[in-house]
Amino acid sequence: QKEVEQDPGPLSVPEGAIVSLNCTYSNSAFQYFMWYRQYSRKGPELLMYTYSSGNKEDGRFTAQVDKSSKYISLFIRDSQPSDSATYLCAMSQTGGTSYGKLTFGQGTILTVHP
Amino acid sequence: NAGVTQTPKFQVLKTGQSMTLQCAQDMNHNSMYWYRQDPGMGLRLIYYSASEGTTDKGEVPNGYNVSRLNKREFSLRLESAAPSQTSVYFCASGGGGEKLFFGSGTQLSVL
Repeated sequence: QKEVEQDPGPLSVPEGAIVSLNCTYSNSAFQYFMWYRQYSRKGPELLMYTYSSGNKEDGRFTAQVDKSSKYISLFIRDSQPSDSATYLCAMSQTGGTSYGKLTFGQGTILTVHP
Repeated sequence: NAGVTQTPKFQVLKTGQSMTLQCAQDMNHNSMYWYRQDPGMGLRLIYYSASEGTTDKGEVPNGYNVSRLNKREFSLRLESAAPSQTSVYFCASGGGGEKLFFGSGTQLSVL
């Protein structure tokens, strides 16, 4: 079993829809939770970053972390065609020697059609 | 600002050939990383360098070597390429904490 599980999709939604992307994980030592967006033939770019449990909002994007259920989510409101990309969840243990040693989900391919 | 620059962008090798992937960052970051991305597998850490002069293995280091040439540059070497090393390789840097900045990748095919 992988440490981080993410439904690869693909997910296709109409413009303006609310999108929900999710990951589950098994390692209770994970403390940092991130969402990366990756456009075709590009490197991942950091979208959202959360430490421990709770919600974080940035414009149309909301990240939620539920450590008790080992479940994280990314919500995209009023989705746009420019949101079409692969979304990768990533997580890591508390700093020190674990800095930057991220464990990624498989990525979910999202297409937002006009 | 260029950020993280990787060269080459594409490469085709024959089994047994060697090559070095180059990575440079201009953000004055201490830590640098090499990941590989395969379909259905997400990104997996190959090697990392927490600071200039140090390197350490990640999740999938077999068949690879690295050199942290200076604070800016971190190279990944395949001594004897194998078809299983066909992948997209990403270099990343981090200035602290868990926020990484990735390059645009090197697409490598080993025939």
